[in-house]
Amino acid sequence: KQEVTQIPAALSVPEGENLVLNCSFTDSAIYNLQWFRQDPGKGLTSLLLIQSSQREQTSGRLNASLDKSSGRSTLYIAASQPGDSATYLCAVIGYGQNFVFGPGTRLSVLP
Amino acid sequence: DAMVIQNPRYQVTQFGKPVTLSCSQTLNHNVMYWYQQKSSQAPKLLFHYYDKDFNNEADTPDNFQSRRPNTSFCFLDIRSPGLGDAAMYLCATSRGGAPDTQYFGPGTRLTVL
Repeated sequence: KQEVTQIPAALSVPEGENLVLNCSFTDSAIYNLQWFRQDPGKGLTSLLLIQSSQREQTSGRLNASLDKSSGRSTLYIAASQPGDSATYLCAVIGYGQNFVFGPGTRLSVLP
Repeated sequence: DAMVIQNPRYQVTQFGKPVTLSCSQTLNHNVMYWYQQKSSQAPKLLFHYYDKDFNNEADTPDNFQSRRPNTSFCFLDIRSPGLGDAAMYLCATSRGGAPDTQYFGPGTRLTVL
């Protein structure tokens, strides 16, 4: 059974810092990996999707990498801003449309 | 423009009183999902439909049922809500092809009194 963990559980940084969020999964037989953002009391917003054949994806200040063999993905946020404060979740997509989420990292960017 | 719509946004029900949550999509996606998310926890997949094919997760309680009458709509029925069913319920869709991104609705917050 696929298990997804995220470290750290919470992170507080001053504005302008670069930061890295980590996601680990136990079964490397994945189809895709997706990073989401969730604001308090809201649904999830997709940030980046990495296909299993890819090593990384970039969107603006965000860069996500994937190492299937080691069961790891990282989300890099450059020049963090207070508006980046949210919970970041990774989801591993297995075959058969099976999405398994990690518990998330709660990020606070202080002005 | 809203692509995945959930109604209502907030639902209050009494212990044991059946409740139905609604999800609709304008994306014409093949796959629709229902997740349960409790405070500070990961969303937990309850079931999903690939077109009309229903896929139930093994640990989804029998108290939860779902209907998908057409491509656009999917319903979550909770037959006898318990206090432990209070949560945010998230609906999502995906095309079903590769690569596959999920699109989420805003969620319905369920309170059980």
